[in-house]
Amino acid sequence: SQKIEQNSEALNIQEGKTATLTCNYTNYSPAYLQWYRQDPGRGPVFLLLIRENEKEKRKERLKVTFDTTLKQSLFHITASQPADSATYLCAPERGGSYIPTFGRGTSLIVHP
Amino acid sequence: DAGVIQSPRHEVTEMGQEVTLRCKPISGHDYLFWYRQTMMRGLELLIYFNNNVPIDDSGMPEDRFSAKMPNASFSTLKIQPSEPRDSAVYFCASSPRNTRATGNGYTFGSGTRLTVV
Repeated sequence: SQKIEQNSEALNIQEGKTATLTCNYTNYSPAYLQWYRQDPGRGPVFLLLIRENEKEKRKERLKVTFDTTLKQSLFHITASQPADSATYLCAPERGGSYIPTFGRGTSLIVHP
Repeated sequence: DAGVIQSPRHEVTEMGQEVTLRCKPISGHDYLFWYRQTMMRGLELLIYFNNNVPIDDSGMPEDRFSAKMPNASFSTLKIQPSEPRDSAVYFCASSPRNTRATGNGYTFGSGTRLTVV
């Protein structure tokens, strides 16, 4: 069955460091993959979309990579700030449907 | 644009009662999605519409759940009768067509926190 794995344990880092979050998927061949941020009590907010033919995508301090061979996406936040503390959700497309399926998310805590 | 608007923000109801959740998508968005989020199962897709037509309702858990989209600016998710296991946060999201081509993702509402006692 299709499965998305994100670290269930919170990632704790110091302000100014680079945070790296991992998304692994199995039994998918997504044409694209999205990343969202979710704050407590709020809906997810779209951050980035990367297509299968793109190895890397950047937006300000954010960088996403997409390795279709490893079936993995990495999400990086450089020069992290306490305001970056949130849960980050990975969402690969659901096998040809153009509809993403969401992972459970990884909580990021940036300490000042 | 005010974004995706959901109501109510919180709903507490007794088991067996009917519950109706409401959503107003962003104007011009062709797709509307209903999701449910719980600690145990994460964010699950219940149903989605394209141009007001239901396309995939395979995520709707039981016949107790139904969704409608009578026009492009309004959708409802109804649970009748409600049960305690339906307690969750329900999100509505909308998107323009060709998400992959445009590179734009979904816009989510703030959600409705449903508690069934």
